[in-house]
Amino acid sequence: QPVLTQSSSASASLGSSVKLTCTLSSGHSSYIIAWHQQQPGKAPRYLMKLEGSGSYNKGSGVPDRFSGSSSGADRYLTISNLQSEDEADYYCETWDSNTHAVFGGGTQLTVL
Amino acid sequence: QLQLQESGPGLVKPSETLSLTCTVSGGSISSSSYYWGWIRQPPGKGLEWIGSIYYSGSTYYNPSLKSRVTISVDTSKNQFSLKLSSVTAADTAVYYCARLGAVAGGTWVNYWGQGTLVTVSS
Repeated sequence: QPVLTQSSSASASLGSSVKLTCTLSSGHSSYIIAWHQQQPGKAPRYLMKLEGSGSYNKGSGVPDRFSGSSSGADRYLTISNLQSEDEADYYCETWDSNTHAVFGGGTQLTVL
Repeated sequence: QLQLQESGPGLVKPSETLSLTCTVSGGSISSSSYYWGWIRQPPGKGLEWIGSIYYSGSTYYNPSLKSRVTISVDTSKNQFSLKLSSVTAADTAVYYCARLGAVAGGTWVNYWGQGTLVTVSS
């Protein structure tokens, strides 16, 4: 079963860019993942599906400031021109061979 | 526009069964393109996948919850439901229903409901 590892926290300044990382466990480096954003007190929001090739498909209404990329077992979410509303928890998700979903522990992003 | 709305009791007694329903509007639960699922989040913690279902009735459950979970679908009402038996305080969480996109061998959440808090307490 794949395990997704995320840093517990990250911070960046208003107007700057930040790159969040989700790392797939050994033997699962080709897996597709999804990124989700959860603003304080709200339900999660689907951001994008990201493949090992780096190709990604964003959800409806997701700003152009959000993009994805991949390198080996690492899946990245880059947020450009950080806004105050980007302060949130970010989760990655994948699935195992039995179609069971797996979530990473989440990264809490602080916008300074 | 797609909407997913959870409904059910907000308070459940220990050892009883938690029951929630998700009503789908703005889309058909019988679409061959999607699965439908439940995810929960204990207060202050991360997301935990509970299970998912296809409109045909095929189900997939988190192995750690499988003995207590039943997910069912009612295509005539465009709804799917969750039952979690023998609940304890550890089952206190916000429960989300979701639509899942699908590719060969896997699914991922691509639309979330707003969530409903269920507290287990006597």
